[in-house]
Amino acid sequence: GAVVSQHPSWVICKSGTSVKIECRSLDFQATTMFWYRQFPKQSLMLMATSNEGSKATYEQGVEKDKFLINHASLTLSTLTVTSAHPEDSSFYICSASGTGTLSGNTIYFGEGSWLTVV
Amino acid sequence: AQTVTQSQPEMSVQEAETVTLSCTYDTSENNYYLFWYKQPPSRQMILVIRQEAYKQQNATENRFSVNFQKAAKSFSLKISDSQLGDTAMYFCAFMKRGTGNQFYFGTGTSLTVIP
Repeated sequence: GAVVSQHPSWVICKSGTSVKIECRSLDFQATTMFWYRQFPKQSLMLMATSNEGSKATYEQGVEKDKFLINHASLTLSTLTVTSAHPEDSSFYICSASGTGTLSGNTIYFGEGSWLTVV
Repeated sequence: AQTVTQSQPEMSVQEAETVTLSCTYDTSENNYYLFWYKQPPSRQMILVIRQEAYKQQNATENRFSVNFQKAAKSFSLKISDSQLGDTAMYFCAFMKRGTGNQFYFGTGTSLTVIP
């Protein structure tokens, strides 16, 4: 099946610093990528939708200046958590859909990234 | 707006037995997809099964099958011959056709398979 790779799997950063998480589609062109945040024992919360070459669309309540999303190519989207604080510690997961070897009507998820801000 | 409801926060089943996870959704759309995703302790989201709303036949994937009742807006997942590796969170999801593939997730059901 289709593969979406997310990196890094684990990251620890100091409070006040920024951290970048990458999401790559390995065998298809991802025209749309989604970023989610998942709190313990809860469902996935959609943070933003990014389309290649355009600005991301953020969900209500998500700070666009804090969670910078870039989708500069058809295979890569990045989420940058700026000026991270301990409350930003969470599991972040991306998903992608698009054209190519897989159906455009299914979303495939990355492995997720654990962010711990100390 | 679309909503997805999973009314069973936790379930358990004996190994080799059958279990059914429930999911209901609310939508005014006619063309959409429904999914079940599995999230094991590794947190990787794994597609279990997909159903297209225009198809009346229930989708099946090996030990996994669905009971899709479009009029009732119900989409339950049946797991037959449960295995220890089936222990995971299961999320039901709805996607409207043509929306850029935005998903609406249920709150999840934590399934434990007991040896």
